[in-house]
Amino acid sequence: GAVVSQHPSRVICKSGTSVKIECRSLDFQATTMFWYRQFPKQSLMLMATSNEGSKATYEQGVEKDKFLINHASLTLSTLTVTSAHPEDSSFYICSALSSLGSGYTFGSGTRLTVV
Amino acid sequence: DAKTTQPNSMESNEEEPVHLPCNHSTISGTDYIHWYRQLPSQGPEYVIHGLTSNVNNRMASLAIAEDRKSSTLILHRATLRDAAVYYCILSLMNRDDKIIFGKGTRLHILP
Repeated sequence: GAVVSQHPSRVICKSGTSVKIECRSLDFQATTMFWYRQFPKQSLMLMATSNEGSKATYEQGVEKDKFLINHASLTLSTLTVTSAHPEDSSFYICSALSSLGSGYTFGSGTRLTVV
Repeated sequence: DAKTTQPNSMESNEEEPVHLPCNHSTISGTDYIHWYRQLPSQGPEYVIHGLTSNVNNRMASLAIAEDRKSSTLILHRATLRDAAVYYCILSLMNRDDKIIFGKGTRLHILP
């Protein structure tokens, strides 16, 4: 079945530093990927749509200069949290629609803690 | 905004069937009905999806109302590993169509 690999699974960083999260589709090509974040006991909130070869589309209220998205190939999208602050601590999840008929596939998530 | 309504939580006994309801009264003719579940500290996992007809797979069954304004996810024999948050989502199923999550139903399985 379709697999989306997300790394790292956990990361702790200091305030003011940047963190990059990778999302790879392993057995299918994904021209579009989606980035979500999730706070404890809450649902997933869509942050942005990542488009291969073009700029990402951000949801209202999401700072595009803070959450940089790059989708340079058909199998890789990256989310960089720049100048991270403790309030950016969250669970970040990527997803893509598989061409293999199994709906949307999600990465296993990245737990970001900013100290 | 999410276009589906689900109960916040449900309980079921282990090894009994579970029926998880979802209302989607504003569904359009081209929306597929998807179900995903999320275990703690994991990304959501695909469960099943359908358009008009009932669907079965190894994980669950999906019963879709004739008017498509509601659906029910059926777990035939719940196990402790089925304890999760279950999300009912509408999507056009094209690769550019973003999916919006509602609050989902937190399913508790009692041993």
